[in-house]
Amino acid sequence: AQSVTQLGSHVSVSEGTPVLLRCNYSSSVPPYLFWYVQYPNQGLQLLLKYTSAATLVKGINGFEAEFKKSETSFHLTKPSAHMSDAAEYFCAVSEIGDYKLSFGAGTTVTVRA
Amino acid sequence: DTEVTQTPKHLVMGMTNKKSLKCEQHMGHRAMYWYKQKAKKPPELMFVYSYEKLSINESVPSRFSPECPNSSLLNLHLHALQPEDSALYLCASSRPGQGGRETQYFGPGTRLLVL
Repeated sequence: AQSVTQLGSHVSVSEGTPVLLRCNYSSSVPPYLFWYVQYPNQGLQLLLKYTSAATLVKGINGFEAEFKKSETSFHLTKPSAHMSDAAEYFCAVSEIGDYKLSFGAGTTVTVRA
Repeated sequence: DTEVTQTPKHLVMGMTNKKSLKCEQHMGHRAMYWYKQKAKKPPELMFVYSYEKLSINESVPSRFSPECPNSSLLNLHLHALQPEDSALYLCASSRPGQGGRETQYFGPGTRLLVL
């Protein structure tokens, strides 16, 4: 069984400063990991995913995440926040052979001008 | 193109009404999903169809009835809903292949209000 913990339900950053969103997972087998973003009144959009290839994954909108097996983490980062990054971010995990995505509780990002 | 479309965008219905939500994708995906999302919460899986057959039902009340008429369409029929069913209903799809390995692509959702 897999699960995801997102540390910090709310992150506030100033425009132009780095963003760090934390995600830790538990899985009995090598997992597939995803970060999705949800803008207000919209569906979920895939930012990036880890599928056992490179441990540093680059995604859209300047985001990247690093898979660290020893720490069971998949933290999302962006070097310089933009106002348009204000949204809800979800980390999710799945296991091969299982259609279920287990989502974290989500982290709300606000960006201050 | 990674587009999943959903109609309607908004729906208001009474507890005695019958309505349907529609989801469509033309990416050749053979797995399709219904999720329910309450405000400030992650999506909760309701149903999964794989190759047009229902493969997962997450113990959803029978007032929600899914249907997959073909490989591109997914419907969710609603009947005798309760106010607590008010939520954003999201559809998703993924490529054929082993579940879990494939990315799920989400539609914009239908925001449902039950009065």
